[in-house]
Amino acid sequence: QVQLVESGGGLVKPGGSLRLSCETSGFTFSDYYMTWIRQAPGKGLDWVSSISGGGSAIYYADSVKGRFTISRDNAKNSLYLQMNSLRAEDTALYYCAREVRSPRYWGQGTLVTVSS
Amino acid sequence: DVVMTQSPLSLPVTLGQPASISCRSSQSLVYSDGNTYLNWFQQRPGQSPRRLIYKVSNRDSGVPDRFSGSGSGTDFTLKISRVEAEDVGVYYCMQGTYWPLTFGGGTKVEIK
Repeated sequence: QVQLVESGGGLVKPGGSLRLSCETSGFTFSDYYMTWIRQAPGKGLDWVSSISGGGSAIYYADSVKGRFTISRDNAKNSLYLQMNSLRAEDTALYYCAREVRSPRYWGQGTLVTVSS
Repeated sequence: DVVMTQSPLSLPVTLGQPASISCRSSQSLVYSDGNTYLNWFQQRPGQSPRRLIYKVSNRDSGVPDRFSGSGSGTDFTLKISRVEAEDVGVYYCMQGTYWPLTFGGGTKVEIK
């Protein structure tokens, strides 16, 4: 069965960096777009970034452009999100999801807290 | 950006009664391939979102048939024919037609 497991979240000071990972199994990873979506505490869902199966097409929300970098390693069936220059407003539960236009499978999320 | 507007924000429902959630987009969601990428997600308390409906009206496997999606263009609806206790949670619509992808603000379904 399809599984997505995020890791790498934690507490970081404003201006700091974190790298999130999403390990996947149960499907041919390289066949699918992958997406990061976040949810601030008590708030709604917010799309962050997506990457095509081969990694050639990448999209970012304006709020993270220039600070976050999405990448993938198809040999390791893994998705990544490098987050730099973190701000308080980046505090959220970060989910990875399979596909982009209709995200079918989601992980359980990893919590990122940006606070001094 | 395409704005997705959901109503109501909160929906108290009696068990066994129907419920309906509206989602309106600021522009037509018909994509160049002819598909309309309007999805519905359910998020139960403490859980990850779960896709219920994709491309307006296609129900995912394992989703009870009391859930149905309809609509076209800019106006969409999620209906629950008879609400059960396990349906409590927040429901989101999401458009996947345009970048950036955008979600509605959510509708909280609770039992009266």
